[in-house]
Order: sequence, then structure tokens, then C-alpha cells
Amino acid sequence: AQKVTQAQTEISVVEKEDVTLDCVYETRDTTYYLFWYKQPPSGELVFLIRRNSFDEQNEISGRYSWNFQKSTSSFNFTITASQVVDSAVYFCALSEAEIQGAQKLVFGQGTRLTINP
Amino acid sequence: NAGVTQTPKFRILKIGQSMTLQCAQDMNHNYMYWYRQDPGMGLKLIYYSVGAGITDKGEVPNGYNVSRSTTEDFPLRLELAAPSQTSVYFCASSYSAGRESYGYTFGSGTRLTVV
Repeated sequence: AQKVTQAQTEISVVEKEDVTLDCVYETRDTTYYLFWYKQPPSGELVFLIRRNSFDEQNEISGRYSWNFQKSTSSFNFTITASQVVDSAVYFCALSEAEIQGAQKLVFGQGTRLTINP
Repeated sequence: NAGVTQTPKFRILKIGQSMTLQCAQDMNHNYMYWYRQDPGMGLKLIYYSVGAGITDKGEVPNGYNVSRSTTEDFPLRLELAAPSQTSVYFCASSYSAGRESYGYTFGSGTRLTVV
């Protein structure tokens, strides 16, 4: 069975600090997809990244970066020079190889990130 | 282009009442999904659909029903509301291109309270 663990329930840092959100996953499939979503206080889900299991390259997008390591089943997310607007709940999610193309996501419990001015 | 539209945004139900949560997408996506998010938790899949007329259960389907008569609409029905169904409900859609799935888009959510 699939499982996503975000061990950090809450993180609080001061603005401009770097912060890393951990994500560990379990799956028996060799083909799978990993996602990160941001949920700001307004409640909507904002897509950040999707990575498939065959692409282990790290990715950087502005202040955001992701470190995918299959050897440790981890897909960690780092925010560099954090800003108050980064305050949100962040979810890591996993989808196994699609059944008829549908992508059923399994979510972690989320990490509540608070950036203090 | 509206994306995924959910109505209503908020609703309070009494125990035993029924209601339908509406979900519509205008992106011609073939796949649609319903998730629920309990306080302080991640989302869990209730039902999903791979196309009009085809639906299947997710992780937490008990107490819910769905139908998919058109590509655009995927309503979620609660027949006998219970306090355990107090949650925020998210509808989502995606499309396939070959063997890949793309464009996973969530609606803004429906906050349901059962009292």
C-alpha cells in the first residue's frame, strides 16, 4: 500500500531563513509520481511540482527547490530566503502508476509552515 | 476559463439530511475525483471517474454516492448526513495524453458541517 509521511507537523522560522520540509513515501510500484501542494490560509490547493519516479534530477524554481532521492524514498522541499507569504500548509502526495489514466493521490498529513517577520 | 467549479462553498446540514455537492469542469478533462480533508489532515480520495458513466471507489467511499452522466459534471451525494462527514470537500480533474496524466486541477472546496 502507498503511504506518505510528513513527520514535521509544524515549523516556525524567521523571515529570510531557509527551511526544508521533509517527505518520505512508501510504494511497491516502480512507476509513480510525487507532488507538492501549498494550501494557504484561504484554503485552496496550489500545485507546486510533479515529479515522476524515473526523473531523479533535483529541480529549482526561484526560491523553491526539490530533492528527490529514491534510495531513501524521500522528496524534500526547500524554501530559500523564506518570506511571510510562504506561510501555509504544505502537502506532499504520491500517485502510483495510473489505472486507466486516473491519478489517485495519497496525501501526507501536511506541514504547517509559519514565517515570522 | 473557470477550471473546476464547486458549489456551494459552505453548507450546514442536520444529521440525517441529504445533499448533493456539485462539481463542474470546463477543461474537457476525462478524469474527475472527489477528496475530503478533515481538520489537520491531508486529503483522502472518496470516489473517482475515468469518464462519463464510469465511476469507482476510493479510500473512503462509505456514506457517499457519485454519478457521471456528462464529461463536465461529477456530483457527490450524501444520503444520510452524519457528524463524521463534517469536512472540506475538494473536487479535482485531470486529463490523459497517451499513458500520462496531466493538468491535475482542484476546485476551491466546499466546507460542510453536520450538526
